[in-house]
Amino acid sequence: SQQGEEDPQALSIQEGENATMNCSYKTSINNLQWYRQNSGRGLVHLILIRSNEREKHSGRLRVTLDTSKKSSSLLITASRAADTASYFCATDKGGGSNYKLTFGKGTLLTVNP
Amino acid sequence: NAGVTQTPKFRVLKTGQSMTLLCAQDMNHEYMYWYRQDPGMGLRLIHYSVGEGTTAKGEVPDGYNVSRLKKQNFLLGLESAAPSQTSVYFCASSYLTLTEAFFGQGTRLTVV
Repeated sequence: SQQGEEDPQALSIQEGENATMNCSYKTSINNLQWYRQNSGRGLVHLILIRSNEREKHSGRLRVTLDTSKKSSSLLITASRAADTASYFCATDKGGGSNYKLTFGKGTLLTVNP
Repeated sequence: NAGVTQTPKFRVLKTGQSMTLLCAQDMNHEYMYWYRQDPGMGLRLIHYSVGEGTTAKGEVPDGYNVSRLKKQNFLLGLESAAPSQTSVYFCASSYLTLTEAFFGQGTRLTVV
């Protein structure tokens, strides 16, 4: 079964507003990553947060991680129409031959101009 | 620097036919993965490899085989295609654990 589950499934906002997406996972992890997918394209890595970190920033992105609740959130500030895409969280666990990188079902973000 | 390249980009197969999807990366990455993406299901891991000559099963391995004879290539085979294998297939690679994955552009496969 998939490890991460994003919430909401779809989000529609106006340009300039902030967008928040959440991810919950089931078992302990090494790291949690967020990826973006534009329609019909491959996924692009946005940010990685390690299990011993609580918050990380990258430009207009802010990611938080709460390992006690097994959840993460991705905040995109001052959204732009170009931010329209699907956003996925991915968790990795294990190591060596047991290593796996698994993805959730994604949140479809629409930013209206 | 091409990154991760998938071949072919599109393919239509008849039920029962076989085919091989090729993934090539030029970043000297150890880890490579094959995922399928279906509407409403997100990405599901089919098979993965943690190094040359190794393969392991993911979440949905049935009906697929893989090989990693060379470090830079990861092949996904469908021996007898079924309509349920209609999907978009993505290959990805990463240098080690704890690092980001790089994705190919995808292969859109239709089985009729």
